[in-house]
Amino acid sequence: DQQVKQNSPSLSVQEGRISILNCDYTNSMFDYFLWYKKYPAEGPTFLISISSIKDKNEDGRFTVFLNKSAKHLSLHIVPSQPGDSAVYFCAASGDFGNEKLTFGTGTRLTIIP
Amino acid sequence: DAMVIQNPRYQVTQFGKPVTLSCSQTLNHNVMYWYQQKSSQAPKLLFHYYDKDFNNEADTPDNFQSRRPNTSFCFLDIRSPGLGDAAMYLCATSSALQAGKTQYFGPGTRLLVL
Repeated sequence: DQQVKQNSPSLSVQEGRISILNCDYTNSMFDYFLWYKKYPAEGPTFLISISSIKDKNEDGRFTVFLNKSAKHLSLHIVPSQPGDSAVYFCAASGDFGNEKLTFGTGTRLTIIP
Repeated sequence: DAMVIQNPRYQVTQFGKPVTLSCSQTLNHNVMYWYQQKSSQAPKLLFHYYDKDFNNEADTPDNFQSRRPNTSFCFLDIRSPGLGDAAMYLCATSSALQAGKTQYFGPGTRLLVL
């Protein structure tokens, strides 16, 4: 049972445009959501997170939006740069036995120069 | 720089031949994790240590074992690797087992089983 879903395995975006990566979750006990970025032959690196008490968190070119009622979050990258080409994983955790991270299957983002 | 180190980066083993993957960290984190990741799949948690307290995921096969001799090091032992165990193995650490705590990952060890 996939509790965190990233339904788009891949996404291509023109350099300079906005990249929007989506993530859905089913477990209403999740309170914290994280995005990780992974380059080939490297481990995932933490990018940005959001807790359920917020609906938006911004860090430079990266913004994460959370819609709790829809159990949906999205990562916006603007403007997109070639170095953003990577696999992006959405992950979630919560209290009461959900402290470990549950990952989605990832979205491969390709930025076209 | 504080970091998570995994050795080797690539490991080739034969079907049924025991293999050990290693992970070390300079972050002084209490929690260490081992994940298995196969192509186009989410990282799958195998087990974690909170200090010396070992916690196995319910669906982790008995073929996988782990040791944590001290805070800095953690090992993944695969007793009898099968072809289905070929994957990327990721080690991660966090300061606490708490919702919202960031996990820091090593570069991974890619295991090939012949």
